[in-house]
Amino acid sequence: QVQLVQSGAAVMKTGASLRVSCKSSGYTFIDYSIHWVRQAPGQGLEWMGWIIPKSGDTHLAGKFQGRVTMTRDTSSSTVYMDLSGLNSDDSVVYYCARQGFWSSFDYWGQGTLVTVSS
Amino acid sequence: QSVLTQPPSVSGAPGQRVTISCTGSSSNLGAPFDVHWYQQVPGTAPKVLISGNTNRPSGVPDRFSGSKSGTSASLAISGLQAEDEADYYCQSYDNSLSAWVFGGGTKVTVL
Repeated sequence: QVQLVQSGAAVMKTGASLRVSCKSSGYTFIDYSIHWVRQAPGQGLEWMGWIIPKSGDTHLAGKFQGRVTMTRDTSSSTVYMDLSGLNSDDSVVYYCARQGFWSSFDYWGQGTLVTVSS
Repeated sequence: QSVLTQPPSVSGAPGQRVTISCTGSSSNLGAPFDVHWYQQVPGTAPKVLISGNTNRPSGVPDRFSGSKSGTSASLAISGLQAEDEADYYCQSYDNSLSAWVFGGGTKVTVL
């Protein structure tokens, strides 16, 4: 069965950099794009960007350009999302999601809660 | 302010039918890019309910249905059940932003 398993919760300092991982299993990793979506407490979903595992090409939402890097390791079927210059607004849950046949996000990771404090 | 507009909340009694609207523009739903719908129970990851405007993934009850016309889309839940209490989000692609966008979400309450 398809699974996306994310790294665990993290507590970070203001100004630090964060890495969240998303390990895929149950399907051919390079055949599906992976997206990152985040959600502040009690708020809606915010798309951050995506990576094409086959090529490593990425596309980021304008808000995150310059602060977010997405990479992949095909040998371990894992995608990484790096976010630099953390501030309190980055204290949210981060999700990875697979883009499926109809272009919807058909499988999601369990979410990674990040807390940023000074 | 979300690019896709949804009502903040809808409610209905068990067994009733409720609909959630999603209004976009010529750069997303009207482009026309497909709309997708997700259900999120608080504390859990979103789950896809409707893909490509009207398609229900395997395992999604047929009480859920989607439609799209022009720059608007709707999700209908018929035979409302207590387990349908959740937040619902519409999603599409916006070519002026070159970004995937979500609606602000609609909380469904079963009375």
